[in-house]
Amino acid sequence: EDKVVQSPLSLVVHEGDTVTLNCSYEVTNFRSLLWYKQEKKAPTFLFMLTSSGIEKKSGRLSSILDKKELFSILNITATQTGDSAIYLCAVKLSGAGSYQLTFGKGTKLSVIP
Amino acid sequence: NAGVTQTPKFQVLKTGQSMTLQCAQDMNHEYMSWYRQDPGMGLRLIHYSVGAGITDQGEVPNGYNVSRSTTEDFPLRLLSAAPSQTSVYFCASSPVGGGEQYFGPGTRLTVT
Repeated sequence: EDKVVQSPLSLVVHEGDTVTLNCSYEVTNFRSLLWYKQEKKAPTFLFMLTSSGIEKKSGRLSSILDKKELFSILNITATQTGDSAIYLCAVKLSGAGSYQLTFGKGTKLSVIP
Repeated sequence: NAGVTQTPKFQVLKTGQSMTLQCAQDMNHEYMSWYRQDPGMGLRLIHYSVGAGITDQGEVPNGYNVSRSTTEDFPLRLLSAAPSQTSVYFCASSPVGGGEQYFGPGTRLTVT
């Protein structure tokens, strides 16, 4: 059974802190890993990672994939209260399931002033 | 482009009632899917479609039906609502080559 595990499940930090969110996976036919941010409504796309060792960066957020050890991390530096959200990790498979995403349970990040 | 739209935003049903959640996209995406999100459970796939006339089951399909008569629309039907179907429902779409999925704003459904 395909599995995506995120840790921690929840995290409380102060503004200005740096956080690292973890996502590990056990799937057959891995194609890519995606990160989403979910505030009050729909998840919004952050990154898609396909190759090992190549960092994707957008402002204070960055992410990297390790296909040998089957995990990804999402880093947020100099956190702000607007970063408070649920961060979702999802894995896309190749082959017949190539459109489907298998999601982890999410990490709820709370940034306090 | 409106992207992915869902109606209604909120719905309260009594046990045994039926209803249809609507989803439409204007991006000409082949792939569409329905997820439900429950506290602490992440997003779980209900049904998906890779094109008009083609649908398949996801992880949690029981109690739900779908059809795909056009590229744009992918309605989700609850034939006989149960309290276990209380959840937030998201529709998503993506282009045929894969890539990121775009999500609608969600429908919050309560079954009493």
